[in-house]
Amino acid sequence: DQQVKQNSPSLSVQEGRISILNCDYTNSMFDYFLWYKKYPAEGPTFLISISSIKDKNEDGRFTVFLNKSAKHLSLHIVPSQPGDSAVYFCAAAGNKLTFGGGTRVLVKP
Amino acid sequence: NAGVTQTPKFRVLKTGQSMTLLCAQDMNHEYMYWYRQDPGMGLRLIHYSVGEGTTAKGEVPDGYNVSRLKKQNFLLGLESAAPSQTSVYFCASSYHDPYEQYFGPGTRLTVT
Repeated sequence: DQQVKQNSPSLSVQEGRISILNCDYTNSMFDYFLWYKKYPAEGPTFLISISSIKDKNEDGRFTVFLNKSAKHLSLHIVPSQPGDSAVYFCAAAGNKLTFGGGTRVLVKP
Repeated sequence: NAGVTQTPKFRVLKTGQSMTLLCAQDMNHEYMYWYRQDPGMGLRLIHYSVGEGTTAKGEVPDGYNVSRLKKQNFLLGLESAAPSQTSVYFCASSYHDPYEQYFGPGTRLTVT
């Protein structure tokens, strides 16, 4: 059973609007969470992370929110840009990283 | 500074053939990992290494072997390829385990 799930396989958003990506996890022992971005034919690249002792972390246009009681995290991209079109993976750290299945984001000009 | 590199980029094997994938990193990272990516499954950890001369099993180790003879290199071997091993393979390295990892560009392997 997948311990980290991204229930939306794809997301389409207009340029300039907000993109919200969601991720749910089941293991309460996870203590650190990361988002990776992946372009076609490239490896994933680290985007932003959050420790379990925080509920929000912001880096420019990217903000990650963590709701520990709901075992849920989300990534907000504001404003969305065409260059943000990619696959986004959330990952949770216990003794190793466990990845979600990914969400493909398409930002339309 | 090349980061993490992988060789080859593409490979087609017949069932039963063997091959080795090479990963190299120039960041002096202690930790190295091999993942496979399948549609809708995210990245799943095959094997990892916490330092030169050490290896350990990940989530999906069956059918694969690894070696870390030098700190900068991590090899993934398939002794007898099966169609179920058709996938994209990513190598990664990190300074601290299991946090921020740096990934290579991937190897697309097809087993017919």
